[in-house]
Amino acid sequence: EDQVTQSPEALRLQEGESSSLNCSYTVSGLRGLFWYRQDPGKGPEFLFTLYSAGEEKEKERLKATLTKKESFLHITAPKPEDSATYLCAVQATISNMLTFGGGTRLMVKP
Amino acid sequence: GAVVSQHPSRVICKSGTSVKIECRSLDFQATTMFWYRQFPKQSLMLMATSNEGSKATYEQGVEKDKFLINHASLTLSTLTVTSAHPEDSSFYICSARTTSGSYEQYFGPGTRLTVT
Repeated sequence: EDQVTQSPEALRLQEGESSSLNCSYTVSGLRGLFWYRQDPGKGPEFLFTLYSAGEEKEKERLKATLTKKESFLHITAPKPEDSATYLCAVQATISNMLTFGGGTRLMVKP
Repeated sequence: GAVVSQHPSRVICKSGTSVKIECRSLDFQATTMFWYRQFPKQSLMLMATSNEGSKATYEQGVEKDKFLINHASLTLSTLTVTSAHPEDSSFYICSARTTSGSYEQYFGPGTRLTVT
């Protein structure tokens, strides 16, 4: 059974204080690992797809990395508008569906 | 690109009535659409997968006669909650995957259903 665990559950940062969110996964053959951002009362917004270990992708203050067991979402010099829940999901090669982690709720204080 | 819309964004209905939620891919064609349910402060729970022109595949524990899914075209899927009860109150979110061969799912903004 595919499993995704995200840590920490919640993270409070001061504006400008860089940090990382962790996504540990077990999957029977990885097709892709996906990062999404979700604001309260809204649907998830697609951020990144990572397909193989060693791959990295960047978008503004966010950088996602992937190993065979986990992915990190690095946030550099965060701003209050980066406050949201960040969701990690995996898709197995034999599946159509995404398996989501519980999410990390990020709060960035000015 | 890759925009998904949902309608309505909020709906309140009385117990025993049915509610239809629409999910549209606005700028791409989606052979596969997904319906999720999300409870407060929890992650997304997949309810069903629908492929254009065929019957939906429901996850274990999801009643197919209660949650009717139709995927009649490459840009539209509908979820009908039949004979709704207060316990069906939730945040329903759809997603769509493009036909281009990539595997990203793009999510709609969600529909807040409240059954009184």
